[in-house]
Amino acid sequence: AQKVTQAQTEISVVEKEDVTLDCVYETRDTTYYLFWYKQPPSGELVFLIRRNSFDEQNEISGRYSWNFQKSTSSFNFTITASQVVDSAVYFCALSEAEGAGFQKLVFGTGTRLLVSP
Amino acid sequence: SQTIHQWPATLVQPVGSPLSLECTVEGTSNPNLYWYRQAAGRGLQLLFYSVGIGQISSEVPQNLSASRPQDRQFILSSKKLLLSDSGFYLCAWILSGAGRSSPLHFGNGTRLTVT
Repeated sequence: AQKVTQAQTEISVVEKEDVTLDCVYETRDTTYYLFWYKQPPSGELVFLIRRNSFDEQNEISGRYSWNFQKSTSSFNFTITASQVVDSAVYFCALSEAEGAGFQKLVFGTGTRLLVSP
Repeated sequence: SQTIHQWPATLVQPVGSPLSLECTVEGTSNPNLYWYRQAAGRGLQLLFYSVGIGQISSEVPQNLSASRPQDRQFILSSKKLLLSDSGFYLCAWILSGAGRSSPLHFGNGTRLTVT
């Protein structure tokens, strides 16, 4: 069965520090998709990025970057020069195998990031 | 563009009372709809999903039920709430046929406290 582990429950940093959020997944699929979502204090989940299992290129979007390594089953998320607005709960998710072809996501337990001024 | 609405935003209900949470999606037809629950200190747990009117699949046996009376309406219900039903409930949608590479789009959630 698919599983996503986010071992870091909470991380506290000071503004401008870099921070990496870890995500380790388990799956027997050869084709799968990984996602990161951000949940700000307001509660809604905001989609950040998707990565498919055939694409191991790292991705950078502004201060955000993602490191996907199939060899270690990890999809880590780094925020460079963190800001107070980055304070949120971040979820990693894995697309569960489903014969019907529609989407079902398995989520990790989330990592709460607190960025203080 | 598509939007998703959930209400109410917060709810405090006594144990044993009924529950009805509503979710509607605008700007699309025949979406796949989902109910997730986020309990304190835990991840998001998929409760129900629906691929069409009247088609509900349950992921976890529990005190809750779901219905889809209209194409873009998804309702989460309970006849008698338990303390363990407290949590943050999120509705989500995705285009029908979008496949496993597509992200889910979430509503703003309903925070339910059962007292």
